[in-house]
Amino acid sequence: GENVEQHPSTLSVQEGDSAVIKCTYSDSASNYFPWYKQELGKRPQLIIDIRSNVGEKKDQRIAVTLNKTAKHFSLHITETQPEDSAVYFCAASTNFGNEKLTFGTGTRLTIIP
Amino acid sequence: DTAVSQTPKYLVTQMGNDKSIKCEQNLGHDTMYWYKQDSKKFLKIMFSYNNKELIINETVPNRFSPKSPDKAHLNLHINSLELGDSAVYFCASSHAGETQYFGPGTRLLVL
Repeated sequence: GENVEQHPSTLSVQEGDSAVIKCTYSDSASNYFPWYKQELGKRPQLIIDIRSNVGEKKDQRIAVTLNKTAKHFSLHITETQPEDSAVYFCAASTNFGNEKLTFGTGTRLTIIP
Repeated sequence: DTAVSQTPKYLVTQMGNDKSIKCEQNLGHDTMYWYKQDSKKFLKIMFSYNNKELIINETVPNRFSPKSPDKAHLNLHINSLELGDSAVYFCASSHAGETQYFGPGTRLLVL
């Protein structure tokens, strides 16, 4: 089955700097890669996703890149703000998300004011 | 008008008891899921139903039994609760091939 690895497990950055979180996946059939943000005590919420027919996607301060050959994808947050502090999860799925999501182990991002 | 809702929000119970968690979505989605998030925050799929039919059943003890009375509801019944069942259980739903939306979670504590 699919295995998703996520690094780093914790990340602290100064407010205004950029943060990068990286994930690798094992199943070459995976074609849908969402990123979820989970604030303390809250539900995971989708912040951005990418499908395998696209190499990069951007939404304001958030971008995701996908390298299908290397089987890795990354989340980039620019101009970080205190409200970006949360746990971020990457995930991978086949059938464009119509199957189960296999999650990475999470990255706890702390923005230092 | 919460999209995916779960009840109860908190559940504290004794070992050996049987309990149920309910999930409802009003998004018109055809697929619903149960995930377990343990104390280390790992999120793992447990079950998935599509149009009331079980399509994913991960390696979960058979003390856990999901039930989907209709497309909008997916309940989770747990028999003979054990200490290791303590976790946050999230329900989610999606329409074919689209974003999965999570419920607020049910925090289960087994004493």
